[in-house]
Amino acid sequence: QLQLQESGPGLVKPSETLSLTCSVSGDSISSSTYFWGWIRQPPGKGLEWIGSIYYTGSSFHNPSLRNRVTISIDTSKNQLSLNLRSVTAADTAVYYCATETSSILDNWGQGTLVTVSS
Amino acid sequence: QSVLTQPPSASGTPGQRVTVSCSGTRSNIGSNTVNWYQQLPGTAPKLLVYNNNQRPSGVPDRFSGSKSGTSASLAISGLQSEDEADYYCAAWDDSLNGYWVFGGGTKLTVL
Repeated sequence: QLQLQESGPGLVKPSETLSLTCSVSGDSISSSTYFWGWIRQPPGKGLEWIGSIYYTGSSFHNPSLRNRVTISIDTSKNQLSLNLRSVTAADTAVYYCATETSSILDNWGQGTLVTVSS
Repeated sequence: QSVLTQPPSASGTPGQRVTVSCSGTRSNIGSNTVNWYQQLPGTAPKLLVYNNNQRPSGVPDRFSGSKSGTSASLAISGLQSEDEADYYCAAWDDSLNGYWVFGGGTKLTVL
């Protein structure tokens, strides 16, 4: 059974880079079945898609975040990574990793809260 | 401001049928399928309905989805207390280079 687990610092300072990892178990991140994506949810608010990547390296990003986001995969560690540059308090959110299969965001990790504060 | 529009709240009593609407545009709901998610307090969203009206295994048939034009709906029949949650619609948007868009969420209260 495919499982996703996010990890990373819970606190990031303004203007710095937010870096998160999603560890994948139950299947290979090199599988051609999935896109691997990130979604976030500010406290008390709705969901926002950040971006997705295919095992080939092809990626898609939310137009509102594109200039600050890098998504990558590490096949040796079976992990997905997210880097979000120049963060502000508005980037405070629970960050989820998820798989995208046949145009469905189907499997989600449990999420990790990242707070941007000095 | 979310790209897809949902009512912020809905309510019903046990056993009732409630519906949650989701309104979009030609570039998202009008061109692509709609998925629905249930988010219980403090948990990750769970896929409830996909491809407009399909249920993953394990989701009760009390939950059903439909789509017409640029709008979609989620119906919950035989409402139960454990259905109290936030519900989100989602669709791919073909504008720009393409991206996923969500509704702002509907908080369902079981009275």
